[in-house]
Amino acid sequence: ELKVEQNPLFLSMQEGKNYTIYCNYSTTSDRLYWYRQDPGKSLESLFVLLSNGAVKQEGRLMASLDTKARLSTLHITAAVHDLSATYFCAVALTGTASKLTFGTGTRLQVTL
Amino acid sequence: DTEVTQTPKHLVMGMTNKKSLKCEQHMGHRAMYWYKQKAKKPPELMFVYSYEKLSINESVPSRFSPECPNSSLLNLHLHALQPEDSALYLCASSQVLLTSGTDTQYFGPGTRLTVL
Repeated sequence: ELKVEQNPLFLSMQEGKNYTIYCNYSTTSDRLYWYRQDPGKSLESLFVLLSNGAVKQEGRLMASLDTKARLSTLHITAAVHDLSATYFCAVALTGTASKLTFGTGTRLQVTL
Repeated sequence: DTEVTQTPKHLVMGMTNKKSLKCEQHMGHRAMYWYKQKAKKPPELMFVYSYEKLSINESVPSRFSPECPNSSLLNLHLHALQPEDSALYLCASSQVLLTSGTDTQYFGPGTRLTVL
């Protein structure tokens, strides 16, 4: 059974600071996704990571994937209040591309 | 247009009621999904349809009955639900079964369901 864990579960950070969210998964995967969810809202796709060493960046967010370590990171640079949300990673098992297992989620709160 | 729409936004129903949730997309996607999300928890996959055929059923109780009448529309029929079924129900779609390139799932806004 695929298990996907994120840490931390909750992160309070000041504007302007940097931090990293970690996503560990238990078995070989085809692909890894990062999503953002605002309170009471739906999920917004941020990144798709397909191969070992993949790195994607969008604004203040950068995601990377290490398939050997079964680890993905989401790095936040110089946080701003607008980044406050819950961030989920999601993993698709090899050969079951349509079946995503979501991580526990990291609730990010950026304070002024 | 990368929009998935869901109706209704909110639904309150009794345990003896029958209701339906509706999801629609006009992106030409051929895979559609239902997820259930409890408060402060990640989404959990319920069903996957591929080319209008049920591809995955994650051992969901029969009181939830999915239907895919055509490639743009996905329904979830609800009957004899329990209070613990109260949750946000999310629909998603993707080009195919996430097998190519950077395809991803696009999520709708969800239906917040309360079962009394």
